[in-house]
Amino acid sequence: GESVGLHLPTLSVQEGDNSIINCAYSNSASDYFIWYKQESGKGPQFIIDIRSNMDKRQGQRVTVLLNKTVKHLSLQIAATQPGDSAVYFCAENSGGSNYKLTFGKGTLLTVNP
Amino acid sequence: NAGVTQTPKFQVLKTGQSMTLQCAQDMNHNSMYWYRQDPGMGLRLIYYSASEGTTDKGEVPNGYNVSRLNKREFSLRLESAAPSQTSVYFCASSNPATGLEETQYFGPGTRLLVL
Repeated sequence: GESVGLHLPTLSVQEGDNSIINCAYSNSASDYFIWYKQESGKGPQFIIDIRSNMDKRQGQRVTVLLNKTVKHLSLQIAATQPGDSAVYFCAENSGGSNYKLTFGKGTLLTVNP
Repeated sequence: NAGVTQTPKFQVLKTGQSMTLQCAQDMNHNSMYWYRQDPGMGLRLIYYSASEGTTDKGEVPNGYNVSRLNKREFSLRLESAAPSQTSVYFCASSNPATGLEETQYFGPGTRLLVL
């Protein structure tokens, strides 16, 4: 889920387990969504995107699910590895603008070896 | 392709000093963006440039100015730095003119400390 205040929600998993990170988005008119990964000291890195005419999209070890009814987005990471440890946040193309994204505050994923 | 590059990586300023953060992209993208990222908060848009020759204010533009020098370069200027501008600054670019790809690609960031 998304953070409140200064502390990010955290998810701690064991190496090899599957991870699910959730995001509630704000605008029912949003038609494009992105998941980013941000490692400590680095810029956000694109993982996967999905358009509103889809419910599911798969990439390499990652799957994004979109539930427009409840405005919910999730990122599933299969066989989580220590290198997956990072902050993950979602972004939505809200308000019909091609130029602006609204970003969530993120979830910290920690993978224990 | 280097993607999006930013300089400098780190900077310490005294209150009232000025500086310019540089950003360049080699992906031939039309749109470029400047964000700031503060602890516990999402990325907040400072300014963006939808295309060469245009700039617009984002969510938190006060205290900043931008210049879209050409299609590749988009700079952010702090005329009189304040401690509240201590943050990590990210530049990004995208190519929404295609109507297909709105993904924004980010640079590595500039860490700014204003004393």
